[in-house]
Amino acid sequence: RKEVEQDPGPFNVPEGATVAFNCTYSNSASQSFFWYRQDCRKEPKLLMSVYSSGNEDGRFTAQLNRASQYISLLIRDSKLSDSATYLCVVNGGGGSYIPTFGRGTSLIVHP
Amino acid sequence: EAQVTQNPRYLITVTGKKLTVTCSQNMNHEYMSWYRQDPGLGLRQIYYSMNVEVTDKGDVPEGYKVSRKEKRNFPLILESPSPNQTSLYFCASGRLDTQYFGPGTRLTVL
Repeated sequence: RKEVEQDPGPFNVPEGATVAFNCTYSNSASQSFFWYRQDCRKEPKLLMSVYSSGNEDGRFTAQLNRASQYISLLIRDSKLSDSATYLCVVNGGGGSYIPTFGRGTSLIVHP
Repeated sequence: EAQVTQNPRYLITVTGKKLTVTCSQNMNHEYMSWYRQDPGLGLRQIYYSMNVEVTDKGDVPEGYKVSRKEKRNFPLILESPSPNQTSLYFCASGRLDTQYFGPGTRLTVL
């Protein structure tokens, strides 16, 4: 099974800061990549997909670097409501659809 | 409303007493999965199902059973629960690009 690694954090940043998370994956044949957000004691929810060309959604930008086998998530102008755990998810490789989750990176945005 | 439902949401039980956690989705997804989440260990897959009557082990299947008799339902069965199965459990269903998670079941085995 593919391995997906994330820095657990926590990343403790002030409101308005820009913060970036990286996630590395070990299987070069992996095919699709995602970031999920999980609030405390709640279910994970899809934040955004990650495409080779990059993907931007408002204050959030996700990028994929296949050569170095990592994906990144950049959050600009952090809000208090961005405080959560961010999970990196990698699908596929070798014909497998099965997603592999990273352990998550904790973000705390303080006033 | 598209959703994944789990029941019960909270359960406290004793060692050895068989229990079932139900999972149902209304999105006609073929893929469904069960995860457990423990502090410091992240989400770990227990079992998954690619379609009706097709199930397979995930990373931590010991002590669990599943069945997939119909597309919408994917129950998780603990035949003889033990304290090390105390955890937060999530059911999920999905497509290639998205997984939808249920609200979670917090299980405590005494």
